[in-house]
Amino acid sequence: AQSVTQPDIHITVSEGASLELRCNYSYGATPYLFWYVQSPGQGLQLLLKYFSGDTLVQGIKGFEAEFKRSQSSFNLRKPSVHWSDAAEYFCAVGAQGIKAAGNKLTFGGGTRVLVKP
Amino acid sequence: NAGVTQTPKFQVLKTGQSMTLQCAQDMNHNSMYWYRQDPGMGLRLIYYSASEGTTDKGEVPNGYNVSRLNKREFSLRLESAAPSQTSVYFCASSELAVQYFGPGTRLTVT
Repeated sequence: AQSVTQPDIHITVSEGASLELRCNYSYGATPYLFWYVQSPGQGLQLLLKYFSGDTLVQGIKGFEAEFKRSQSSFNLRKPSVHWSDAAEYFCAVGAQGIKAAGNKLTFGGGTRVLVKP
Repeated sequence: NAGVTQTPKFQVLKTGQSMTLQCAQDMNHNSMYWYRQDPGMGLRLIYYSASEGTTDKGEVPNGYNVSRLNKREFSLRLESAAPSQTSVYFCASSELAVQYFGPGTRLTVT
């Protein structure tokens, strides 16, 4: 069974500083990988996804993530955070194959990011 | 284009009461999902529907039932609510492995 671990429950970062959120997954093959962001009281919004190809993927709001097969990781980064980046971030893994039954995702526990002025 | 909509936004139930959470999507997606979100546990899949006319259990189905009414609508029913079902419930739909989420329903069972 697939699983996702986000080791950091909370991260506090100063505005303008860089941010890296960790994500490790367990899966028998190369999975589909996702990062979602959830602002307070809102639903989840897709930041970026990895299906195949270039292991460095760019997303919305200036975020990027790198897939490292050898480390089973898919860490999210942003060079300079803005106060509006304060939110909870979720890493998710899905089975490969566009027609995989139901395209189910398994989510990590989330990392809450606080931004100091 | 509203995406995924959910009703109600908030609900308070007493133990033993029943209710149905509604979800609709206007993106013509085949697959739909119900999750619950609890602090520190991320999202856990309750039920999903890979296509119209099919439903399957997820990770935490006990105490819930679902109906895929048509391609647009997927409802979640609590027959006899329990305090352990206090949570935030999210509906999602997907196409090509990417899931799109509704705004959520915050449910409290007292």
